[in-house]
Amino acid sequence: AQTVTQSQPEMSVQEAETVTLSCTYDTSESDYYLFWYKQPPSRQMILVIRQEAYKQQNATENRFSVNFQKAAKSFSLKISDSQLGDAAMYFCAYRVGSYNTDKLIFGTGTRLQVFP
Amino acid sequence: DARVTQTPRHKVTEMGQEVTMRCQPILGHNTVFWYRQTMMQGLELLAYFRNRAPLDDSGMPKDRFSAEMPDATLATLKIQPSEPRDSAVYFCASALRVNQPQHFGDGTRLSIL
Repeated sequence: AQTVTQSQPEMSVQEAETVTLSCTYDTSESDYYLFWYKQPPSRQMILVIRQEAYKQQNATENRFSVNFQKAAKSFSLKISDSQLGDAAMYFCAYRVGSYNTDKLIFGTGTRLQVFP
Repeated sequence: DARVTQTPRHKVTEMGQEVTMRCQPILGHNTVFWYRQTMMQGLELLAYFRNRAPLDDSGMPKDRFSAEMPDATLATLKIQPSEPRDSAVYFCASALRVNQPQHFGDGTRLSIL
């Protein structure tokens, strides 16, 4: 069975600094997708970034980038130039790359605090 | 920006009552998901539909929960009878098609007294 583990329940960072959130996963599949979702206090789940397992290049979206290590089954999120609005719960998620299922498996989340 | 719309945003009711949560997926999206979020279990998939047909409802307690898509613009999740352990935030999400990112609604916070 596939599992997603986020070992950091809470992290904190100072405004303008860089922070890295960790995520590891377990799967026997070779084709899959990985995601980071942000959940601010407003509760909405917002897609931050997506990585296809077949792509070697790490995905980036403005200040957000990932370090995807397929062999180590690691998928960390780096937030550069942190802003107060980045404070939220961050969830790592996995989905097998099959047309037969769209099921997302989520980690338990990391709460990020940003200090001015 | 197109968004997934969920109603109600909050619901408080007494144990034993029927609860209906509604979701309007993004227009044109053919896949709709229901998730439940609790402190203990985190985010769990309850059920999902593709082209209005249920594909996977293995995460849903069958005795009291039911999910339907009466048409392409409406998905419903019903609990009857409700129990205090059903208290959670219920999210609906939709995706354009297979292997496309899921877009989430704002959730319904359900409290069963």
